[in-house]
Amino acid sequence: GENVEQHPSTLSVQEGDSAVIKCTYSDSASNYFPWYKQELGKGPQLIIDIRSNVGEKKDQRIAVTLNKTAKHFSLHITETQPEDSAVYFCAASGDGGSQGNLIFGKGTKLSVKP
Amino acid sequence: DVKVTQSSRYLVKRTGEKVFLECVQDMDHENMFWYRQDPGLGLRLIYFSYDVKMKEKGDIPEGYSVSREKKERFSLILESASTNQTSMYLCASSLAGRHSPLHFGNGTRLTVT
Repeated sequence: GENVEQHPSTLSVQEGDSAVIKCTYSDSASNYFPWYKQELGKGPQLIIDIRSNVGEKKDQRIAVTLNKTAKHFSLHITETQPEDSAVYFCAASGDGGSQGNLIFGKGTKLSVKP
Repeated sequence: DVKVTQSSRYLVKRTGEKVFLECVQDMDHENMFWYRQDPGLGLRLIYFSYDVKMKEKGDIPEGYSVSREKKERFSLILESASTNQTSMYLCASSLAGRHSPLHFGNGTRLTVT
């Protein structure tokens, strides 16, 4: 089955710097890659996703890139702000009939220092 | 606004007790999920349901069962709680169809002593 590796597990940056979180996946049939952000005391929330027919997607300060050949995808946050501090999860899934095959990475705790 | 409500924020139970974790969504979503979140292990799927009275095992169903009698409600049941089930439990829902975003509740922190 699918296996998703996420690095780093913790990341500390200065406000205004960029942050990059990387994930690799094992199943070449996976074609959907969402990213979730979990703030303290809350459940995860979808922030951006990408499908395998697209190499890059951007939404304001957040971008995701996908390299299908290498089977890895990355989250890029530019001009980081203290409110970006949270735990970020990547995930991967294929075309299964339900969403029970969404596999999450172990998470990255991002700290943005003012 | 989309809302998934978990009945308890914190719960303390004793070993051997039967425990019910309740989740309600107000978005008329077809799919509902129960995840377990542990430090260093990420989110692991326990059970999910894509319709009333339907259920599917996730990656770690052992020691758990679920009930979905109504579309908006999905219950997680620990038949005989054990200390290794101390964890954060997250409920989520989504529309039917592939790759619909998951909407999570804020979680229930369960401690089994």
